[in-house]
Amino acid sequence: GEDVEQSLFLSVREGDSSVINCTYTDSSSTYLYWYKQEPGAGLQLLTYIFSNMDMKQDQRLTVLLNKKDKHLSLRIADTQTGDSAIYFCAERLKGSRGSQGNLIFGKGTKLSVKP
Amino acid sequence: NAGVMQNPRHLVRRRGQEARLRCSPMKGHSHVYWYRQLPEEGLKFMVYLQKENIIDESGMPKERFSAEFPKEGPSILRIQQVVRGDSAAYFCASSLGTATSNQPQHFGDGTRLSIL
Repeated sequence: GEDVEQSLFLSVREGDSSVINCTYTDSSSTYLYWYKQEPGAGLQLLTYIFSNMDMKQDQRLTVLLNKKDKHLSLRIADTQTGDSAIYFCAERLKGSRGSQGNLIFGKGTKLSVKP
Repeated sequence: NAGVMQNPRHLVRRRGQEARLRCSPMKGHSHVYWYRQLPEEGLKFMVYLQKENIIDESGMPKERFSAEFPKEGPSILRIQQVVRGDSAAYFCASSLGTATSNQPQHFGDGTRLSIL
């Protein structure tokens, strides 16, 4: 089945690291994505990882993928107040041509950064 | 280099009216996706289009909803005879290609539809 799960809330102090977790159920995922949504705005693509990788680093962002456990995480180093937003995990499935396009999203994790 | 442009940003309709949401993809992108976001929820896929073709509409309600992406002009998501349950944020995304080439989807700022 297609299901992406995330915890709904995370609160951290400015300067600490944030770790946002995500689990997915479909083992045929090809790519996994992290998007950021600020209030009233659209989704901003932060980073993505191919399913045959286990780690990707991009400046303050580190993505870890445990394909065996179907677990994805996003670590934000030195979290700032500007990082406060909702973070969505999404997977893209391998399948028939008709289903190759769409992403399956989790419900989002609301990150609050306290000064 | 403009991103995905959606308009209007906010749309208010009364029950029974029609809603038309427009999406202009990023320059050079020929693949368009529409998603719906209910309050406190993630995005749910509705439809995937290429120019003049609907590729996957498995997420579209069977009635009242339609989408098109003509040869010229923006993609249109049309909702006829709107009901209160249609109130949501509708997001459009575009990409250069499909999953086989992994071209990421880039999102617009959405249209917030409110039904009175």
